[in-house]
Amino acid sequence: GDSVTQMEGPVTLSEEAFLTINCTYTATGYPSLFWYVQYPGEGLQLLLKATKADDKGSNKGFEATYRKETTSFHLEKGSVQVSDSAVYFCALSDPTNSGGSNYKLTFGKGTLLTVNP
Amino acid sequence: DAGVTQSPTHLIKTRGQQVTLRCSPKSGHDTVSWYQQALGQGPQFIFQYYEEEERQRGNFPDRFSGHQFPNYSSELNVNALLLGDSALYLCASSLARGWETQYFGPGTRLLVL
Repeated sequence: GDSVTQMEGPVTLSEEAFLTINCTYTATGYPSLFWYVQYPGEGLQLLLKATKADDKGSNKGFEATYRKETTSFHLEKGSVQVSDSAVYFCALSDPTNSGGSNYKLTFGKGTLLTVNP
Repeated sequence: DAGVTQSPTHLIKTRGQQVTLRCSPKSGHDTVSWYQQALGQGPQFIFQYYEEEERQRGNFPDRFSGHQFPNYSSELNVNALLLGDSALYLCASSLARGWETQYFGPGTRLLVL
């Protein structure tokens, strides 16, 4: 079945440091890939997405590129801020699984990012 | 434009009891999905509702049931609560076409004692 594996946290960085959070996936079809962010005490917010190989999703300075050859979708940001402290979830949807009747998002376990001033 | 809303925000129940959680989708959305997020874990798909029908179900027992109303709002019911049902329950709404882009509510935190 489909699965998502994220690097284990927590990740602690200083402000303005470079961020990479690794994400790899297993899917039977041609998935779309997502990064969600969860701030303390809140629900999940869609951060960015990519729907096909070599697509790059970007938002708020974050980027991720859909790499089919390595089945990866690593999240990067060039200069993190204290306000980026949150839990980040990599997720996939694979509608072609189960004969085109698969409507769920499959999430990784999440990576806690803490950015210190 | 109101986003996805959920009620209540917190709930405490005892084992064996039943609970109902409620969700109002983002304006214009017709599809609602429910997820369970245990502490320190990613959300796990429970089921999705569209046109008042359960469109897909995840690996959850029959104690978990749901409903969607004509105004697209939804309820999640859990019977015979177990300690292991303690979690954050998230509702997500989307359009049926374009369901992959889901907007999440703040969740209901359920504690079973």
